[in-house]
Amino acid sequence: DAKTTQPPSMDCAEGRAANLPCNHSTISGNEYVYWYRQIHSQGPQYIIHGLKNNETNEMASLIITEDRKSSTLILPHATLRDTAVYYCIVRVGNNAGNMLTFGGGTRLMVKP
Amino acid sequence: EADIYQTPRYLVIGTGKKITLECSQTMGHDKMYWYQQDPGMELHLIHYSYGVNSTEKGDLSSESTVSRIRTEHFPLTLESARPSHTSQYLCGDRGSGGANVLTFGAGSRLTVL
Repeated sequence: DAKTTQPPSMDCAEGRAANLPCNHSTISGNEYVYWYRQIHSQGPQYIIHGLKNNETNEMASLIITEDRKSSTLILPHATLRDTAVYYCIVRVGNNAGNMLTFGGGTRLMVKP
Repeated sequence: EADIYQTPRYLVIGTGKKITLECSQTMGHDKMYWYQQDPGMELHLIHYSYGVNSTEKGDLSSESTVSRIRTEHFPLTLESARPSHTSQYLCGDRGSGGANVLTFGAGSRLTVL
């Protein structure tokens, strides 16, 4: 699996956009980028995933660079409840029985 | 959307006791997983299952065992709990299809005295 690198922590002001970067320079052509978050030791929660096109859903947007070596998760209007650890994971999307490996993630602190 | 239920949420138990952490899901998904997470640390996969009667060990060695007799249940057992087993145990499942979207339960926080 491609290794990912994320900053260990970030701060964001409430109401502002939170931009969480992830580097995955060894990503291969059939590997997807997944984002999960974990709020205060609850079970991780799926946010979004993508292959090469930018993706948007009700929670966030995912911007993947053209060379696919990095991506950014965008929370457009961060709230205090978005304070969590955010995990960027790269994995083959269609590999049956594929489990996910969680790294250290980025601890996002949203401040009032 | 899959529902994953874990019981108990919190368990404090003495050394040497046998414990079973329950995990159940309502969607009939084949693939289920157990992760272990110490406070402030990374999640580590300790067991997974592809379906009934299928169980495999994960990346992190664990003294726990699992069983998958029924699709909806994936219990984790520690025959003789020790303080080193104190941790949070998270159960998840994955739906069918191509995306690697895991749904997790709320977790079971185990403290062994």
